[in-house]
Amino acid sequence: AQKITQTQPGMFVQEKEAVTLDCTYDTSDPSYGLFWYKQPSSGEMIFLIYQGSYDQQNATEGRYSLNFQKARKSANLVISASQLGDSAMYFCAMREGRYTGTASKLTFGTGTRLQVTL
Amino acid sequence: DTEVTQTPKHLVMGMTNKKSLKCEQHMGHRAMYWYKQKAKKPPELMFVYSYEKLSINESVPSRFSPECPNSSLLNLHLHALQPEDSALYLCASSQPRDRVSPLHFGNGTRLTVT
Repeated sequence: AQKITQTQPGMFVQEKEAVTLDCTYDTSDPSYGLFWYKQPSSGEMIFLIYQGSYDQQNATEGRYSLNFQKARKSANLVISASQLGDSAMYFCAMREGRYTGTASKLTFGTGTRLQVTL
Repeated sequence: DTEVTQTPKHLVMGMTNKKSLKCEQHMGHRAMYWYKQKAKKPPELMFVYSYEKLSINESVPSRFSPECPNSSLLNLHLHALQPEDSALYLCASSQPRDRVSPLHFGNGTRLTVT
């Protein structure tokens, strides 16, 4: 079963506007972390922001904020004041599990390609 | 500047060649990962090392052989690959005990198998 769902294959936004990229997730584990990564065409995977399942406040990092709605199991990324350099693929991802003394894997959604236009 | 360094950036190899991908991190992390990413797809996990021990192998074919010589280094040895193994190979590191610790990725190696 798909654990991370991104329903927007592609999005367009005008420069200086805000844009919301959708992400829903599925887990029965009460402990998990949600992440957003940016991947430009050059290929590097850039960590943007994370939200822990027990965090009460929505995460923010500069122009990025995460709209976390736990009951709906959604973790949407909001980018404010879009810039041309924001054009890239954006992946939502999740890590599950309590502390076990070993690493847990990061599972990705299918991604949303964002194009910022003039 | 990335703190996870992968070499080489590009690699072209024949199906009978043996080559290795290298990854080095200077973040003090004790978990390291190999992901494979095909074009227009999300990364897929191949291997996880935790405290220098292999902890996850996602049923990867034996023509891919990982090695973790120490806490900073991760290698992926390649032998008798197929053209369908052509992909972007991403290395990552993290703190193993913290579920909300992000993975930090290198810039990747673009592999072409001819």
